[in-house]
Formats: sequence, C-alpha cells, structure tokens
Amino acid sequence: QVQLVQSGAEVKKPGASVKVSCKASGYTFTSYGISWVRQAPGQGLEWMGWISTYNGNTNYAQKLQGRVTMTTDTSTSTAYMELRSLRSDDTAYYYCARGGQQLAFWGQGTLVTVSS
Amino acid sequence: DIQMTQSPSSLSASVGDRVTITCRASQGISNYLAWYQQKPGKVPELLISDASTLQSGVPSRFSGSGSGTDFTLTISSLQPEDVATYYCQKYNSAPLTFGQGTKVEIK
Repeated sequence: QVQLVQSGAEVKKPGASVKVSCKASGYTFTSYGISWVRQAPGQGLEWMGWISTYNGNTNYAQKLQGRVTMTTDTSTSTAYMELRSLRSDDTAYYYCARGGQQLAFWGQGTLVTVSS
Repeated sequence: DIQMTQSPSSLSASVGDRVTITCRASQGISNYLAWYQQKPGKVPELLISDASTLQSGVPSRFSGSGSGTDFTLTISSLQPEDVATYYCQKYNSAPLTFGQGTKVEIK
C-alpha cells in the first residue's frame, strides 16, 4: 500500500532553517511527483510547491520563492523540503503528498514550530 | 494566479439534510478540480477528482459537478461522520490553489 512517512516535529528559532523528509513506499517513487502543502494552526491548506521525482524539476509558490528548496533522493525514495529564514508565521503542519495534480496520498504531517 | 473562492465558509445542518458547497474559480479551469475532506485533527483526504469522479471508498452520498468556473460538492444526506472542513483545489496548472475551506457542522 502507498505510504508517505514524514520526519518528526521540529522547534526552530526565527531565522533558522528546517528540513522535513518524506519517505515513500508501496509504489515506484519516480512515477509520481511530490507536492508539499502546509497548514497553519486553525487555517486552511496552502500549496507550497512540487518536485518531479523523475528529473528534479520544481515549481514553487511565488510567496516562498527564494526561501524554499525541494529535493529528492531516489536511492531512498525520499523527498525533502527545506525552508529557510523561518518566521513565526511559518509555524504550521507541513504535509507531503503524492502527485502534482489531485493529491490522493498524504503524509501524516510534520509540525514545525517557530518560536524564540 | 487563479483564485478559488468557496461558499459558504461554514454551515450547520441536520442529519439527513442535503448540503451543497460551491467553489468558484476566477478563470476557467475545465474540470481540473478536486475536493478534499479534512476531519478535525486528521490529514486531508481526496474525495473527488476531475470535478465529479468519486474516489474509491467514498460514500455515494457525496457527489461533485461543474466545469469551467463553477463547481459544487453535494452531500445528499448529511451524516454525523461528515463533520469536517471541505476544500476545493484546482490543478489545471501551478499553483495548485486551494479554496479557503467550508466547515460543516451538525445542527
């Protein structure tokens, strides 16, 4: 069965960086891209971007351009999302999801808390 | 960028009621629209893709319709387990924008 397992919760100080991992199993990793979506506490879903697991091409949300980097390691079927220069409003659950269109499979979410 | 606007932002209905949520795109997106259900404290789940294709395992009381700019999600007979926030999402092209969500509660 398709599974996306994300890394654990993180607490970071403003200005720091965070890197969240998403390990895929149950399907051919390079057949589907990975999207990243975040959700601030009590708020809606925000698409952050997408990476092709086939060739590494990326497409980032404009508001995060310059602060976010998405990468993959095909040898371990793992996708990564790094967010830099963290601010308090980056506090959110971060989800990976399979695909770049409709998102049928999601990771369990990683809570990133930004606090001084 | 294309904006996605859902209405209402919240609703309260009785068990057995027919519930309709609308999603409007600021430009045409053909049928590249998905609906998600997010129960409190849970991960979003895909209910409907391509505007009207029910995902496997989703109860038949859920249905989707629309094309172009106007879409609807209908729950034909609201059940207690349908308490959740529902999001539409466009995927014709990046960015994959979500609507702001509709919170459904039981009256």
